[in-house]
Amino acid sequence: AQSVAQPEDQVNVAEGNPLTVKCTYSVSGNPYLFWYVQYPNRGLQFLLKYITGDNLVKGSYGFEAEFNKSQTSFHLKKPSALVSDSALYFCAVRDWLTGGGNKLTFGTGTQLKVEL
Amino acid sequence: NAGVTQTPKFQVLKTGQSMTLQCAQDMNHEYMSWYRQDPGMGLRLIHYSVGAGITDQGEVPNGYNVSRSTTEDFPLRLLSAAPSQTSVYFCASRSRHDSNQPQHFGDGTRLSIL
Repeated sequence: AQSVAQPEDQVNVAEGNPLTVKCTYSVSGNPYLFWYVQYPNRGLQFLLKYITGDNLVKGSYGFEAEFNKSQTSFHLKKPSALVSDSALYFCAVRDWLTGGGNKLTFGTGTQLKVEL
Repeated sequence: NAGVTQTPKFQVLKTGQSMTLQCAQDMNHEYMSWYRQDPGMGLRLIHYSVGAGITDQGEVPNGYNVSRSTTEDFPLRLLSAAPSQTSVYFCASRSRHDSNQPQHFGDGTRLSIL
């Protein structure tokens, strides 16, 4: 089975500073990777995905992610954090079901807190 | 744009009660799914459907039933609620034909079983 790991439960960063939220993956074959964000009392919102192509993927709200095959990582980044970026961030990988379908396998989430 | 709508937003049940969590989408998506979110565990797939009349089990299907009579609706039924089913439940949908398209999530149903 495919899996992703988010090693940090929480990341704190000052507003205006760059932020990184880490994700590593374990897959057989080519990885299909996603980042989602969850604001309080809301569902998950799609930020960006990596399927193939450029290792630097740009997404919504100024976020980007760097795919690194040798390090099996897909870290989420933003050059200048905003207080409004404070939320729960999930890394996910496309995984396969025994019945032939597919699903997203999610990491455990990283709480990002951006402070003034 | 309604997107994915879940009702109710909150529910408290007693052990042994049954209930149905509603999910509706207006994007004509073939693929719909139910996840539960528990602290420190991310989201886990309960059941999914690739179209009307077709459903299948995910990772944690025990204690839950689903049906898909229309493209728009995908209700989740708890047969006999247990405290272990206390969780936040999310419904999601996407176009079936491209599994790399992002999923659209509802705002969740927060369920407590006493």
